[in-house]
Amino acid sequence: IQLTQSPSSLSASVGDRVTITCRASQGISSYLAWYQQKPGKVPKLLIYGASTLQSGVPSRFSGSGSGTDFTLTISSLQAEDFATYYCQHLSGYPLTFGGGTKVEIK
Amino acid sequence: EVQVVESGGGLVQPGGSLRLSCVVSGFTFSDHYMDWFRQAPGKGLEWVGRSRNKAYTFSTEYAASVKGRFTISRDDSKNSLYLQMNSLKTEDTAVYYCAKATNYNTAWYADPWGQGALVTVSS
Repeated sequence: IQLTQSPSSLSASVGDRVTITCRASQGISSYLAWYQQKPGKVPKLLIYGASTLQSGVPSRFSGSGSGTDFTLTISSLQAEDFATYYCQHLSGYPLTFGGGTKVEIK
Repeated sequence: EVQVVESGGGLVQPGGSLRLSCVVSGFTFSDHYMDWFRQAPGKGLEWVGRSRNKAYTFSTEYAASVKGRFTISRDDSKNSLYLQMNSLKTEDTAVYYCAKATNYNTAWYADPWGQGALVTVSS
């Protein structure tokens, strides 16, 4: 299963609403996770089951979708959210990641 | 507090071998799936392989790129996960991460990840 993320990068300002999409090459139900990785840091799980927020993750993050089309939304971008975001499917093996979306400061 | 700590990275020649270790604490190791991931310099994330929990006899799965060369094993008495890497290639150069996986609705999601171990394959 291939995951295609778009865009591959974006520039946004603090306070902006940001949406990242992840499209699967075949249906994966809700077996999708979103990870955040800041430069030089370890990836951090944000969302699992396509829409469930991991404990401790701010509520400005949300996930939606099922089947083949998924979105990660940051409702009001904060300075600490500038990072690269990856989707990952867990619907059978091999597990795969999307190519990543780098969120940069405008 | 859950802790995941990798060790064993280093420089190895093409065709060589290396074993990474991952020591965990703060949870019942045998109850959880465990994953290995890697990230080549400047590149995205890649899943390497998985060890299921005791209920599934610690069976394993691998990415096609490492199958037949890499082997995942566990030692529950030491709360340790291992990644034996043989026939290493230059394209295996990456930071390797170990992660605890937790079940949600029949899928196992990796979190937290360790700090990573750098493996460099070069002559």
